[in-house]
Amino acid sequence: GAGVSQSPSNKVTEKGKDVELRCDPISGHTALYWYRQSLGQGLEFLIYFQGNSAPDKSGLPSDRFSAERTGGSVSTLTIQRTQQEDSAVYLCASSPRGGEAFFGQGTRLTVV
Amino acid sequence: QQQVKQSPQSLIVQKGGISIINCAYENTAFDYFPWYQQFPGKGPALLIAIRPDVSEKKEGRFTISFNKSAKQFSLHIMDSQPGDSATYFCAASKGMRELIFGTGTRLQVFP
Repeated sequence: GAGVSQSPSNKVTEKGKDVELRCDPISGHTALYWYRQSLGQGLEFLIYFQGNSAPDKSGLPSDRFSAERTGGSVSTLTIQRTQQEDSAVYLCASSPRGGEAFFGQGTRLTVV
Repeated sequence: QQQVKQSPQSLIVQKGGISIINCAYENTAFDYFPWYQQFPGKGPALLIAIRPDVSEKKEGRFTISFNKSAKQFSLHIMDSQPGDSATYFCAASKGMRELIFGTGTRLQVFP
């Protein structure tokens, strides 16, 4: 079966523009996570979706960041008015019920 | 309370040697402790995981040792190989929610 799929794999955008990053989780996985990894750094939690429950947005760094998950499957992370400090690899993971997470390859975002 | 502290930051081991990476946590509510392996340009991949009701779990050359009273857990890689060269992350979660990651250990295994 297919793993977690993220698109695009690379994105270069100009400062101030909005970007959308997409995540297709493993079919049947109820939990979905977004993390951010800056160059050579650890993984910073952004947001967590579990089934139909309200998402845990406690990791979002500012109100420029938002995410949604449609139909309990595909998720989109949106960054508005991008800044250079937003440059990082954005990783999506899904889990059958939470805890054990399977990651995608990530989207490398570069803000110029 | 939410942090997971990982050491060392980098590790150099000779082929055939034992690699040991350590993590410590504060939040006693954590109930799931996985280790992830990440190669350059790839997403992290689940390597092995443990729950606090056992003190050790072994899968092939990889072993997790867990010390609940000390709030520490470690990854041991036996007979380390050059192909094990990667960045390793420990993590912890509570109630099957989001994973809190350590800062990572870059392992280099030389032939």
